[in-house]
Formats: sequence, structure tokens, C-alpha cells
Amino acid sequence: KNEVEQSPQNLTAQEGEFITINCSYSVGISALHWLQQHPGGGIVSLFMLSSGKKKHGRLIATINIQEKHSSLHITASHPRDSAVYICAVSSYQFYFGTGTSLTVIP
Amino acid sequence: ETGVTQTPRHLVMGMTNKKSLKCEQHLGHNAMYWYKQSAKKPLELMFVYNFKEQTENNSVPSRFSPECPNSSHLFLHLHTLQPEDSALYLCASSQARGGGETQYFGPGTRLLVL
Repeated sequence: KNEVEQSPQNLTAQEGEFITINCSYSVGISALHWLQQHPGGGIVSLFMLSSGKKKHGRLIATINIQEKHSSLHITASHPRDSAVYICAVSSYQFYFGTGTSLTVIP
Repeated sequence: ETGVTQTPRHLVMGMTNKKSLKCEQHLGHNAMYWYKQSAKKPLELMFVYNFKEQTENNSVPSRFSPECPNSSHLFLHLHTLQPEDSALYLCASSQARGGGETQYFGPGTRLLVL
């Protein structure tokens, strides 16, 4: 069993919809990261958080340390949001989820 | 130029070839990483260098050989690879190797071994 589990694995949404991607983890962490990977392969770090909530534009990330759970929300989704979203947790080691593939249809 | 760059972006090689992947970071970071990403699997950490010293080797086969001549450059030397080594190889850097730090990724090298 992977230390980091994401759901759903695949997600298709209509433009404008509100999207939620979930991440659960089973190890002790110092931080949780949300990463975005576009089809070309490069990975961009979206958020690093250790408690509460962070917002950047249309993206919101939350974490519940007690429940070992995090969510990534995208408001007013757009086709350019189509990508793979990866949850990762870190203590000294990094553990990665397998990613959620999001497709936003115009 | 800023960020993390990787060359080449695509590589096709036979099992008897020797090739090298290059990574360069322009962020002033002290830690650099090699990851392997295979389809439908989580990112796999291969090697970590902190202040030019290799600190981690996650049971990577000896046909992969890393080299870190300075804090800005990282190489992955490849020889006698197997078809199952075909994957996306990602380089990343961070301020230091300490846990919890944000890693900055390069665009990756997509490798196909025939």
C-alpha cells in the first residue's frame, strides 16, 4: 500500500465546474505538497502546507493533520487547468501519490 | 536563465549504448535529486546530493551512475539499460536536504530504451 493515496485517479469536468481532489496519507509529515504536471512532463509546485488552508488564485489547498487528509480545490475550472495533480508528503523522505489526471472540457 | 533545466528532453537508446542526462539549476540551491517516473506509478526517488555529496541511493541498479561536480550541475550516466528503464527522468533541486522543503523540478528527459 502506498503511503499517499489520491482520489479520484481520473476526473473530467466541464469548464466552470468546482473541482475537488483528495489526498490521504499514512505517515508522519512536516509538510504536504500539491504539484501540477502538464503533458510535457515538467512539474510545478503549487502549494506547500503544514496546517490550515492556502489560496492562490482559483486554487485552494486545505489540510487536516489529525485526519491525515488534504484537499485541492479548483474554482471556476478552465481547460488550461487540465494536468496531472500530484500530492506529496515530506518528513525527511518524500512520498508521492500516483496523481489525479484532470481534463477540463470547454 | 532561471529554474531547473534538463537536457536532452528526449532520448532513444539501445541497450548497449552509453548516454548521460544533464541537469542544471540556477536557483542557488544546495540539494539536487534524480527521480524516475513510470506510467501509473508514483515518482521514485533515485539519488540525492546535498552540498555535492551523495546522501541517498535508493537501491538503484548500478547501470545508473550519478555525478555531481558542483551544486549547480547533476548528471545521470546510463549504460547497458533495459527496456523497463524507459521512463521520464526528472531532476529537482531544493535549498537543502532537510525535509519539508519545496523542490523545484526540471522539465524531465523522456527516455526510451530499445
